[in-house]
Amino acid sequence: DAGVIQSPRHEVTEMGQEVTLRCKPISGHNSLFWYRQTMMRGLELLIYFNNNVPIDDSGMPEDRFSAKMPNASFSTLKIQPSEPRDSAVYFCASTLGQFTDTQYFGPGTRLTVL
Amino acid sequence: AQTVTQSQPEMSVQEAETVTLSCTYDTSESDYYLFWYKQPPSRQMILVIRQEAYKQQNATENRFSVNFQKAAKSFSLKISDSQLGDAAMYFCAYRSAWGGGSNYKLTFGKGTLLTVNP
Repeated sequence: DAGVIQSPRHEVTEMGQEVTLRCKPISGHNSLFWYRQTMMRGLELLIYFNNNVPIDDSGMPEDRFSAKMPNASFSTLKIQPSEPRDSAVYFCASTLGQFTDTQYFGPGTRLTVL
Repeated sequence: AQTVTQSQPEMSVQEAETVTLSCTYDTSESDYYLFWYKQPPSRQMILVIRQEAYKQQNATENRFSVNFQKAAKSFSLKISDSQLGDAAMYFCAYRSAWGGGSNYKLTFGKGTLLTVNP
């Protein structure tokens, strides 16, 4: 079975540019999570979707960040405009149900904002 | 709020030897899940093992096993017959088993970097 798919794997952009990260959850999973990992803060939950609906976006750092899930098989995380402090690894994870225990992670996108 | 503490930022082990990574957590809940995730240099977060708090039996997955001490709120990971491929950052994580609220959240520790020496 295919796992969680993320693209791109690496993204290098300049400050002020728009960045879009993509995620395809495991087929049949109806909960999706976006995380950010930095050395300073570790792994942080940014936003959580259940059945394509955003349930908790309290972790989204500021209005420059937005996320969508137009259907069960696709989600995007957009940063506009990007800043150097957004440089991090961004992970997408999915689970079978809203309160199912195990989250399965994608390979991550390493974002570098110059 | 729950917290997860990994007190060992780095550990090293000789190939074929056994190593134990420590994790403690703080919670007022009685039912929850605990996880160990492995993050190799590829950055992929890989589930190593999971434990359900209501099960007294320690989980085991091949060379990986846990020592779950519920009263002490301790959840250590033992890696037997260590291999070079075990070298990675290991994260301990907690998740409530109760539905509702924000109980879908995983709370992670800061991680332990494991080096395996040949």
